[in-house]
Amino acid sequence: GAVVSQHPSRVICKSGTSVKIECRSLDFQATTMFWYRQFPKQSLMLMATSNEGSKATYEQGVEKDKFLINHASLTLSTLTVTSAHPEDSSFYICSASIWQGGNTIYFGEGSWLTVV
Amino acid sequence: GENVEQHPSTLSVQEGDSAVIKCTYSDSASNYFPWYKQELGKGPQLIIDIRSNVGEKKDQRIAVTLNKTAKHFSLHITETQPEDSAVYFCAASTMNRDDKIIFGKGTRLHILP
Repeated sequence: GAVVSQHPSRVICKSGTSVKIECRSLDFQATTMFWYRQFPKQSLMLMATSNEGSKATYEQGVEKDKFLINHASLTLSTLTVTSAHPEDSSFYICSASIWQGGNTIYFGEGSWLTVV
Repeated sequence: GENVEQHPSTLSVQEGDSAVIKCTYSDSASNYFPWYKQELGKGPQLIIDIRSNVGEKKDQRIAVTLNKTAKHFSLHITETQPEDSAVYFCAASTMNRDDKIIFGKGTRLHILP
């Protein structure tokens, strides 16, 4: 299947700082990428849909000024958690859609964020 | 919008036995149904998917069935092995570009020795 890579896999940052997570489609171009947040033992919560060359579409309840999403190229989307707080600590996962006779979604490996 | 229900939330089966996870969806426009396996601390991995033009698809020990009339689809794992222990998510979507994929809440599968 297609490969989606996330970096970093783990990051620790101090409260009040910002941290950036990258999501790359390695062997295909992704016009659309998705960002999810996952709490322990829970399902994936869609945060936003990232469209190349345009503004991201955020889900209800997700603060767009806190979770900045940029999709500057067909292979890279970034999520920046601004002014991080301990409650932002979570597992963040991106996915990318590829057209294979229909929309197929592949996920990255996820990024563990710990805010101390 | 689409709503996907998944059952059971937890499933324990003896090694070698079969496991079945069931999902229902609400939007009749959905026509793509993938299944993902998520191991602890990792991103979900696509293990099998089915599109609405077929009723069943099989890949080695894994099979998925789809009943569009009843709006339900199931994952079947035969001859379960310890490495099958994970969380499994079903999902539903249309095959339109940029459409969101809606996930079930997941099933935690335990394979007992």
